[in-house]
Amino acid sequence: GEDVEQSLFLSVREGDSSVINCTYTDSSSTYLYWYKQEPGAGLQLLTYIFSNMDMKQDQRLTVLLNKKDKHLSLRIADTQTGDSAIYFCAENAVYTDKLIFGTGTRLQVFP
Amino acid sequence: DTGVSQNPRHKITKRGQNVTFRCDPISEHNRLYWYRQTLGQGPEFLTYFQNEAQLEKSRLLSDRFSAERPKGSFSTLEIQRTEQGDSAMYLCASSTWTGGNTGELFFGEGSRLTVL
Repeated sequence: GEDVEQSLFLSVREGDSSVINCTYTDSSSTYLYWYKQEPGAGLQLLTYIFSNMDMKQDQRLTVLLNKKDKHLSLRIADTQTGDSAIYFCAENAVYTDKLIFGTGTRLQVFP
Repeated sequence: DTGVSQNPRHKITKRGQNVTFRCDPISEHNRLYWYRQTLGQGPEFLTYFQNEAQLEKSRLLSDRFSAERPKGSFSTLEIQRTEQGDSAMYLCASSTWTGGNTGELFFGEGSRLTVL
C-alpha cells in the first residue's frame, strides 16, 4: 500500500544544517516532493526530485534519494528562523495521479 | 494570477448541518484536487477532477460528501449531515497535467471546518 512516514519534530540552532528524513513505500513513484507549510498558509512546493536521480541541489536545499531503501531526505543549509515550518514529503502514485503526503516534520529554529 | 482561492476560510457549524466549500483554481489548470488535513497529520487525498470529470474518489469520501466541478473551472465540496469527526482543514489544489510533467500541486490556504 501507499504510506509515507516522517519523524514528527526537529529542533536546530540558527545557522546549523537541518536534515529532515522520509521513507516511502511506492517504488513506482516517478517524482518525490518536499512541501513547506507555514502557520495559516497553504502548502508550498519547495523542491522535487525525479526518481532516477540520487541528488538534487537547489541553493540551500539538498535532496537525497535512496531508491533501494526508499528513503528521501531534505537538507537545509544555514537554517534560518524563517525556515521554521512543517515540512511534508510526498510521492506521486503513478497509477492514480495523486500525491500521497507524509505526516509532516515540524522544524523549529532557535537563535 | 491570484493563485488558488478557497471560501469560506473558516466555517463553524452544528452537527447535522450541511456545509459547502468552494475552490477557484488557477485559471489555466485542468486538474483540481481536494484534500483533508487534521491536526498533526499530512493532507489526505479525497478526490480529484480533470476538467469536469471526477476521476477518483478516496474511500475516505463517504456518501455524505459530494464534490462537483460543473464547468471545469471552480469546484464545490459539500458535506451533508456534518459530524464532529468532519472537523478538519479542507485543502484544494490545482495543477496542469499534460503528461510527463512534474505533477506539482498548487494549494489554496484551506477552509477550516469546526463542527460543534
